[in-house]
Amino acid sequence: AQKVTQAQTEISVVEKEDVTLDCVYETRDTTYYLFWYKQPPSGELVFLIRRNSFDEQNEISGRYSWNFQKSTSSFNFTITASQVVDSAVYFCALSLDMEYGNKLVFGAGTILRVKS
Amino acid sequence: DSGVTQTPKHLITATGQRVTLRCSPRSGDLSVYWYQQSLDQGLQFLIQYYNGEERAKGNILERFSAQQFPDLHSELNLSSLELGDSALYFCASSVVQGPHNEQFFGPGTRLTVL
Repeated sequence: AQKVTQAQTEISVVEKEDVTLDCVYETRDTTYYLFWYKQPPSGELVFLIRRNSFDEQNEISGRYSWNFQKSTSSFNFTITASQVVDSAVYFCALSLDMEYGNKLVFGAGTILRVKS
Repeated sequence: DSGVTQTPKHLITATGQRVTLRCSPRSGDLSVYWYQQSLDQGLQFLIQYYNGEERAKGNILERFSAQQFPDLHSELNLSSLELGDSALYFCASSVVQGPHNEQFFGPGTRLTVL
């Protein structure tokens, strides 16, 4: 099966706490791509990061960092010093090649609530 | 703002009716994707077009159809609507097709079937 599991349905933290969102994926492909998207209360889906399967370097962008571990099929997302504006639903997705096209397979999402 | 536009923003209709959702991709993007987000199914891929041609299909119902026009905008047609079709429908676009490309999402059309 090719799927994405986000086991944490909802996480609540207090502002300035660090929080890690877990993502575990399954794929039979040797080359694949992983994405994180953010869905704020306004509803749109905002692209955050793309990672390919042959680049295991961790990535940091401001308060955001991503840890990709092929050995455990995980692509976790950490927000440092969380802020109220980080409150959103976060989706991890696996990008799959299809015969003539491609698609994203999303996890169920993790609701992050950051309280002031 | 991703540059992908979708109209209408909200749509309320009755069971058995037919609706058309419209999407304009980002300037220069050739590939358009449609996704459905519902409480029970989550975010599900419906269909992909690339430069006017259908390229990939997900679990799209036979009552649903889509097309991409020469100007690259796309329409998703939903017919014989049922209560369970109520959902947020997203359009996304990417420069070309391929799993390595970021897909940029529009704001969505919220469909309510009464």
